[in-house]
Amino acid sequence: GAVVSQHPSRVICKSGTSVKIECRSLDFQATTMFWYRQFPKQSLMLMATSNEGSKATYEQGVEKDKFLINHASLTLSTLTVTSAHPEDSSFYICSARDDGGAETQYFGPGTRLLVL
Amino acid sequence: GESVGLHLPTLSVQEGDNSIINCAYSNSASDYFIWYKQESGKGPQFIIDIRSNMDKRQGQRVTVLLNKTVKHLSLQIAATQPGDSAVYFCAETPYNNNDMRFGAGTRLTVKP
Repeated sequence: GAVVSQHPSRVICKSGTSVKIECRSLDFQATTMFWYRQFPKQSLMLMATSNEGSKATYEQGVEKDKFLINHASLTLSTLTVTSAHPEDSSFYICSARDDGGAETQYFGPGTRLLVL
Repeated sequence: GESVGLHLPTLSVQEGDNSIINCAYSNSASDYFIWYKQESGKGPQFIIDIRSNMDKRQGQRVTVLLNKTVKHLSLQIAATQPGDSAVYFCAETPYNNNDMRFGAGTRLTVKP
């Protein structure tokens, strides 16, 4: 149980385009999901907390207009990187907290974004 | 500010030996601690967790120890195997708080 999927797993796009990443909890409901960013050989950096039915909470320094988050259902959150630039290239990972469980966050497999 | 950190960025052990990965945290309000394993190109995988009202918890081949007095967390892996090679992160979260903060990570390499 507690499986989280992400789609796509890898994406290459041109500078200036927008990219949408989906995060799904497959066997549990998640009112709260999280989006992280990870650069090579570094730890995970929390970008924002996604709340079903309400606005996401962004960490300091993360542009909410740049990284659009939508949490339309209890099993799906999406992150859209708008007008992507090469510096947005990174590994994006989502996690979800089981509404019926403890505080444990279950992570997706990540999405590798490369902006040319 | 409050942070979670690790003593050692890399650890190399011989197959079959026991491994100990350490983590220091500074937020005294932290209530819940988790160890994650991350293999290259993959998302973190839950290993084991512990609450602040405990000082030890055991799983399959893994043990987490929590010393609240010195704000120290450790992960012990018994009979380390090549498949244990990965980066290990500790994470902490205060009670009833959404925020989970990760440490810098320790890369464990198991030599055959």
